[in-house]
Amino acid sequence: NAGVTQTPKFQVLKTGQSMTLQCAQDMNHEYMSWYRQDPGMGLRLIHYSVGAGITDQGEVPNGYNVSRSTTEDFPLRLLSAAPSQTSVYFCASSGLAGEQFFGPGTRLTVL
Amino acid sequence: GENVEQHPSTLSVQEGDSAVIKCTYSDSASNYFPWYKQELGKGPQLIIDIRSNVGEKKDQRIAVTLNKTAKHFSLHITETQPEDSAVYFCAVPWGDAGGTSYGKLTFGQGTILTVHP
Repeated sequence: NAGVTQTPKFQVLKTGQSMTLQCAQDMNHEYMSWYRQDPGMGLRLIHYSVGAGITDQGEVPNGYNVSRSTTEDFPLRLLSAAPSQTSVYFCASSGLAGEQFFGPGTRLTVL
Repeated sequence: GENVEQHPSTLSVQEGDSAVIKCTYSDSASNYFPWYKQELGKGPQLIIDIRSNVGEKKDQRIAVTLNKTAKHFSLHITETQPEDSAVYFCAVPWGDAGGTSYGKLTFGQGTILTVHP
């Protein structure tokens, strides 16, 4: 049981490039979320999903897309990276009890 | 969205002392209040949570108290140890979560706790 896994751990992009951050969970959780963490600002919700095929926007969705084709996977796509998207990204999953399990994070730098 | 204020931003204590971190929130419909611990280079990890049908919950050296009338909840760590040094975050359900989490949280700004041996 690996919990929540994220790849890659580190990534450097140039402005305008695109990439996908991968997230997978093996706990059969219905709910999955993406957060970004910036210094002094805690974690902010980007997008979330309440089940396969269902996604919705969070607090800071601009510049990011998501999809949920399976229960296990919830990738986050940056279509045209900007320096303002430099951050640490965390994926999380939770069941009906509400407890969220977080992945180890992806540290992204956009030059 | 929900507004969450967390204080203090930094907290320095001697080993064996107690530490208290407080969060205030704005949405009276919230009924789930978790606390997370984040160690350097890792993702947040749930350490304790409370639902609005109780006023206090304890787990060994950690406790959370909730005052729904005043809309604040606090994390209490007793007999602190150096391994308690980390960043602590409070959170409440975000948006129209109906008071529960269901995978959507708004986080406080975090408290850097340092426990000196």
